[in-house]
Amino acid sequence: GQQVMQIPQYQHVQEGEDFTTYCNSSTTLSNIQWYKQRPGGHPVFLIQLVKSGEVKKQKRLTFQFGEAKKNSSLHITATQTTDVGTYFCAGSGGTSYGKLTFGQGTILTVHP
Amino acid sequence: EAGVVQSPRYKIIEKKQPVAFWCNPISGHNTLYWYLQNLGQGPELLIRYENEEAVDDSQLPKDRFSAERLKGVDSTLKIQPAELGDSAVYLCASSLRTGKGNQETQYFGPGTRLLVL
Repeated sequence: GQQVMQIPQYQHVQEGEDFTTYCNSSTTLSNIQWYKQRPGGHPVFLIQLVKSGEVKKQKRLTFQFGEAKKNSSLHITATQTTDVGTYFCAGSGGTSYGKLTFGQGTILTVHP
Repeated sequence: EAGVVQSPRYKIIEKKQPVAFWCNPISGHNTLYWYLQNLGQGPELLIRYENEEAVDDSQLPKDRFSAERLKGVDSTLKIQPAELGDSAVYLCASSLRTGKGNQETQYFGPGTRLLVL
């Protein structure tokens, strides 16, 4: 079945440093979504990427979808303490329409 | 607009006891999902409903887990009997399927934290 892997598992940064998490799928994806989960909270949708090579920005967050639609990345510029949480990618593809396969997430901690 | 509502928020039971979780999706959302999230892991789909029909329950351990979505709105997820390994967060999510080809945004509820002793 479809597998989605994320690295790194943990990332500790000083406030102001940049952060990147990478997501790789074992199969070609139709689209990929990114979610953020604060400690003790639930996943909250951030963005969806659909097109090959697509790049989208949300303020300090930049999301990319690979040309082959098998990988994606999330980059945060100049992290802030409010960025703390776990970032998940989730892919959907092929005959598994409607089913999102989540990566294991990257836990981001930001030291002030 | 109210979000996805789940209850209870926390549940502690002894092993072999039954437990049930309830979910009320966002009004108008036709698709409902139940996920299991273990500590340090991403959510794993248990079952997906489109209206009242379970369209994907391949990951649901049917020997002890059951779910229903009568009338295509609220849903319940039941475990009977519960085992120690069932301790996890059970998340409900909903979305509005438009049939336009893209994956719909899923809106998650706060989850039910289950501890089986």
